[in-house]
Amino acid sequence: GAGVSQTPSNKVTEKGKYVELRCDPISGHTALYWYRQSLGQGPEFLIYFQGTGAADDSGLPNDRFFAVRPEGSVSTLKIQRTERGDSAVYLCASSAGVGGPGEQYFGPGTRLTVT
Amino acid sequence: AQSVTQLGSHVSVSEGALVLLRCNYSSSVPPYLFWYVQYPNQGLQLLLKYTTGATLVKGINGFEAEFKKSETSFHLTKPSAHMSDAAEYFCAVSGRGGSNYKLTFGKGTLLTVNP
Repeated sequence: GAGVSQTPSNKVTEKGKYVELRCDPISGHTALYWYRQSLGQGPEFLIYFQGTGAADDSGLPNDRFFAVRPEGSVSTLKIQRTERGDSAVYLCASSAGVGGPGEQYFGPGTRLTVT
Repeated sequence: AQSVTQLGSHVSVSEGALVLLRCNYSSSVPPYLFWYVQYPNQGLQLLLKYTTGATLVKGINGFEAEFKKSETSFHLTKPSAHMSDAAEYFCAVSGRGGSNYKLTFGKGTLLTVNP
């Protein structure tokens, strides 16, 4: 079956611009996660959705970052006034639901470059 | 707060040799433990996880890991390396209870396999 997909695969933007990154989770997965992976680092947690609501957004670095999941499926990570330090690979993952450390299935990521 | 340390950012082995990738964690209580593999331009894939029970965990592709509470370690091994094992490997932890969804990753270890 289809895995987690993310679009675009690459995004180059100028400093100060607004960007949206999209994640399509595995069908039926109620939990969705965003992580950020900077060069030479492991992924860092950003936000976790259970259904339509953000259950934990403690990893978002500042108020320029925002994510939505209006219908409990597709999610969009939005970054306002991008800065060069936002350059990273943004990973999305989904899992089947609550209860226990369920396996998170990761997408291939969106590589964001801010020039 | 939890943390993960992976000793060695780069490990090189010969085909057929033992693979040993080291992971130590810091946590106030024994966490859930995971190993993920990342191939170029692909998403992270779960190799194995430890939640409870037997401390020696077997995963996919012939990998296994042993949870040693006294050493706060979860090292990944494979008896005989294949060329196809070349990838980046990440150790991760999550808390128990309500925070078991939030993965904290190490910085990763790049495994190269020489013919």
